[in-house]
Amino acid sequence: AQSVTQLGSHVSVSEGALVLLRCNYSSSVPPYLFWYVQYPNQGLQLLLKYTTGATLVKGINGFEAEFKKSETSFHLTKPSAHMSDAAEYFCALNTGGFKTIFGAGTRLFVKA
Amino acid sequence: SAVISQKPSRDICQRGTSLTIQCQVDSQVTMMFWYRQQPGQSLTLIATANQGSEATYESGFVIDKFPISRPNLTFSTLTVSNMSPEDSSIYLCSAPPGTSGSGETQYFGPGTRLLVL
Repeated sequence: AQSVTQLGSHVSVSEGALVLLRCNYSSSVPPYLFWYVQYPNQGLQLLLKYTTGATLVKGINGFEAEFKKSETSFHLTKPSAHMSDAAEYFCALNTGGFKTIFGAGTRLFVKA
Repeated sequence: SAVISQKPSRDICQRGTSLTIQCQVDSQVTMMFWYRQQPGQSLTLIATANQGSEATYESGFVIDKFPISRPNLTFSTLTVSNMSPEDSSIYLCSAPPGTSGSGETQYFGPGTRLLVL
């Protein structure tokens, strides 16, 4: 069965510090992996996605993620946090077809 | 890409009543999805809405409680019937713009925030 595990329901960083949000997945077939962000009172929007090809994926707002098959991970990073990055982040998995499995989410807090 | 709107954006309802949520996409899409996001939780898929056929419900969700309509390729409704406080959630609709499914980005509406008293 496919699953997505996000390590840490809450992450707090200082403004300007590195952001690292962890995501591990389980899939019996090659996965498609996504990071979505949800700002307060809004729906989800795509940050980045991995389908095939280059394992380091760059997204919007300076975020990037690296697909590591050997570690079954797809961690999200940003070199320098900004106050506007405070939001809920969801890692998601799709293994073909339309159904997408979402992780539990990680709320990012950014301290001034 | 696709732009998705939902109505209402929020509502407060009395238990035992029903609420219909509308979802409009700015382009024709094959599939539309309805999710529930309970407070502090992740997204749970309620059902997949296909135009011209019955919606497909996930385990734990039934048509009598969550009837869905999909009259055309740009519109869908979800009704939350005979509501109880446990139905208080954010309800999100989404759609992938393409038809292949695999690896497709999903575009989301802003959500409907429902509080049942």
